[in-house]
Amino acid sequence: DVKVTQSSRYLVKRTGEKVFLECVQDMDHENMFWYRQDPGLGLRLIYFSYDVKMKEKGDIPEGYSVSREKKERFSLILESASTNQTSMYLCASSDRNWDSRTKRETQYFGPGTRLLVL
Amino acid sequence: GNSVTQMEGPVTLSEEAFLTINCTYTATGYPSLFWYVQYPGEGLQLLLKATKADDKGSNKGFEATYRKETTSFHLEKGSVQVSDSAVYFCALRGGAGGTSYGKLTFGQGTILTVHP
Repeated sequence: DVKVTQSSRYLVKRTGEKVFLECVQDMDHENMFWYRQDPGLGLRLIYFSYDVKMKEKGDIPEGYSVSREKKERFSLILESASTNQTSMYLCASSDRNWDSRTKRETQYFGPGTRLLVL
Repeated sequence: GNSVTQMEGPVTLSEEAFLTINCTYTATGYPSLFWYVQYPGEGLQLLLKATKADDKGSNKGFEATYRKETTSFHLEKGSVQVSDSAVYFCALRGGAGGTSYGKLTFGQGTILTVHP
């Protein structure tokens, strides 16, 4: 069964702290994604990675960085947390295969990490 | 760029009522279209998808038809249940290849509450 796990379901941090959010997938997927989810805004892409050590900025990368040292793990880093980064963070992964007839392009999501920055 | 617009929510229905959640999109080329569902306290799950014009995706009694002429992918269900209460997201992925790497563009989500 497909599995994407995130290190924490809930986190409380203080302004200025460095925050690490971890995501692990067991499907040998090449692509991994970090989104944040805010009411009324849907999901917005922060960063994604299409291979080990490769990364691309998404739509809202400011204030974030990422790390992909191993294929199965994709980390989101808040260098200096701020209150406007309070949000739900969702990780996803997908196969690189573009065959639209199969489910291999489907993104699989983790359960999310709800981060509160005080 | 790509964009997805969903109907404003929240939507509140009685059990066995008919459900429609509207979704329209803007995209170049031939995108794939998706509906994802998020149950309380969980991540998103793929509900259904369609990859070309006139395709109908279906799952768990939900249906959506890819209408290229109206750039729409409305979600429907004939008789909702309390267990369908969730947040529903419409999404698109741009045409294959290039540097899209399977990125999805999401709508803002629609909260559905079904009462007994």
